Amino acid sequence: NAGVTQTPKFQVLKTGQSMTLQCAQDMNHEYMSWYRQDPGMGLRLIHYSVGAGITDQGEVPNGYNVSRSTTEDFPLRLLSAAPSQTSVYFCASSLREDYGYTFGSGTRLTVV
Amino acid sequence: GQQVMQIPQYQHVQEGEDFTTYCNSSTTLSNIQWYKQRPGGHPVFLIQLVKSGEVKKQKRLTFQFGEAKKNSSLHITATQTTDVGTYFCAWGGTNAGKSTFGDGTTLTVKP
Repeated sequence: NAGVTQTPKFQVLKTGQSMTLQCAQDMNHEYMSWYRQDPGMGLRLIHYSVGAGITDQGEVPNGYNVSRSTTEDFPLRLLSAAPSQTSVYFCASSLREDYGYTFGSGTRLTVV
Repeated sequence: GQQVMQIPQYQHVQEGEDFTTYCNSSTTLSNIQWYKQRPGGHPVFLIQLVKSGEVKKQKRLTFQFGEAKKNSSLHITATQTTDVGTYFCAWGGTNAGKSTFGDGTTLTVKP
């Protein structure tokens, strides 16, 4: 039981490049979310999903796309990377509304 | 919209002292969760509170949910160096699956 797996752990992008951050969970959790955490700050919700085929925007969705074709996977796509997207990205999953979230170990992204 | 403030932002204590962090909301919360994030790590779920006036304990940690379900606290008795990290409260909104996190309280413990 691996929990929530995020890849890659580190990434450096040039401005304008695109990439996909991968997130997979093996706990059959319905809820999945993407957060970003900037230095010394809290977690801001980017996008979330309550099940396969269902996604919605969080607080800071601009510049990011998501899809949820399976229960297990919830990839986050950066369309055209900008320096403002330099951050640590966390994927999290939960069984349902009244359960806590299990977080992945994060992806540290630098955009130069 | 829903406004939840977490205070203090930072807390420095001597080992053995107590520590408390608070989350205060302008509106009634359906539930509140607490997480701990060690330096360089990821958030780890500690507990969820659902009922008005609920109190839960985990060893030296005591979690409370206010009677009006508008505030919550996490209290650590006799802090240890292993308690260092940032403690976050989080709450659900009207949309299922949408969890918002407070700004966190960063605890440092001086041995």
